[in-house]
Amino acid sequence: SQELEQSPQSLIVQEGKNLTINCTSSKTLYGLYWYKQKYGEGLIFLMMLQKGGVEKSHEKITAKLDEKKQQSSLHITASQPSHAGIYLCGAGDNYGQNFVFGPGTRLSVLP
Amino acid sequence: EAQVTQNPRYLITVTGKKLTVTCSQNMNHEYMSWYRQDPGLGLRQIYYSMNVEVTDKGDVPEGYKVSRKEKRNFPLILESPSPNQTSLYFCASSFTAGQYYEQYFGPGTRLTVT
Repeated sequence: SQELEQSPQSLIVQEGKNLTINCTSSKTLYGLYWYKQKYGEGLIFLMMLQKGGVEKSHEKITAKLDEKKQQSSLHITASQPSHAGIYLCGAGDNYGQNFVFGPGTRLSVLP
Repeated sequence: EAQVTQNPRYLITVTGKKLTVTCSQNMNHEYMSWYRQDPGLGLRQIYYSMNVEVTDKGDVPEGYKVSRKEKRNFPLILESPSPNQTSLYFCASSFTAGQYYEQYFGPGTRLTVT
């Protein structure tokens, strides 16, 4: 079954700094999803990256998919305290079957 | 407002007492899933449904049952809960645009089994 790894596990940055979170898959990626979760709360969909697709942006968050490396990176520009939370990547078979998540990256942004 | 709702949001129960966590979506999505989230183990899929009366096991189905009698509802049933089912549970629904889909998650149900 597919496994997703994320790095780093946790990240503490000063407000205004840029940062990158990586997600690596053990299998070929056809679609990769990024979610954000506030501690103990529900998941917020950020963006979906398709195979052969282009870089996507959501406010100050940009993500891209490198199919050859089976990897996706999520980049936050000029981080703000509102960006704090857990970032999760996810992928699955057609229509959400066997959907798996990465372990998450815990981001703290210091004011 | 398009949403996935779960009830209850919090539940404390005792071992062996049957319980049901409801999940409902108002987006006419065909696909629905249940996940549990545990520290150190992350989010894992419990069950999945592709449509009414069509369900399939996910990674961790043991101890759980589901039913999909209506498109909008996908309840999670614990016939005999045990302490190892203490967890944060999420329901999700999704639509497809060809091969790709977008999952919408409910707010979560925090279950404690003593």
